[in-house]
Amino acid sequence: DAGVTQSPTHLIKTRGQQVTLRCSPKSGHDTVSWYQQALGQGPQFIFQYYEEEERQRGNFPDRFSGHQFPNYSSELNVNALLLGDSALYLCASSSTGRGAETQYFGPGTRLLVL
Amino acid sequence: DQQVKQNSPSLSVQEGRISILNCDYTNSMFDYFLWYKKYPAEGPTFLISISSIKDKNEDGRFTVFLNKSAKHLSLHIVPSQPGDTAVYFCAASESTSGTYKYIFGTGTRLKVLA
Repeated sequence: DAGVTQSPTHLIKTRGQQVTLRCSPKSGHDTVSWYQQALGQGPQFIFQYYEEEERQRGNFPDRFSGHQFPNYSSELNVNALLLGDSALYLCASSSTGRGAETQYFGPGTRLLVL
Repeated sequence: DQQVKQNSPSLSVQEGRISILNCDYTNSMFDYFLWYKKYPAEGPTFLISISSIKDKNEDGRFTVFLNKSAKHLSLHIVPSQPGDTAVYFCAASESTSGTYKYIFGTGTRLKVLA
């Protein structure tokens, strides 16, 4: 049973560029949440997708957008990259509607903006 | 405004002894809590959860205690093993219309000494 997978594992971009990160949820899960983890901090909630719609959003600017596909996989897009966007981006999957949600994380994508 | 706080950045414990990791929160609407451990270069791994309708939950060597009046939870690991050396995060959410948006603490680095 495959867990949550993310690609790529590492990425280097320059300021102003755009980036797309990808996530495949754990088998049987239909909800994907994205988090940003800066060095020395805990993960910060970016947004959550369910039924191909964004249903919750954290305190992140519109430069951060996402998408969920019919197979429940998801993309996180960041436009106009800033140096401060350098972080570990984590995807977590869960199953909505089956009681309280435990979220299972992927290994993350480490983004470095130069 | 940090709604979830882990005030001890680090903790060292002898192998075989008890490890106690603490977490405080400020939002009285939080009703579901998770603990994760994180090894370097990996995503967080789910350990144990607790709902606000309980004050204790146990899973093997891991026990989580919740004190709602004090807005405090703790994770006990007994006995501690060298493989438990990792960063531990607590996370809290309120179940808004059945959706869960987790707020994480900044983590506690646990080192178990052999």
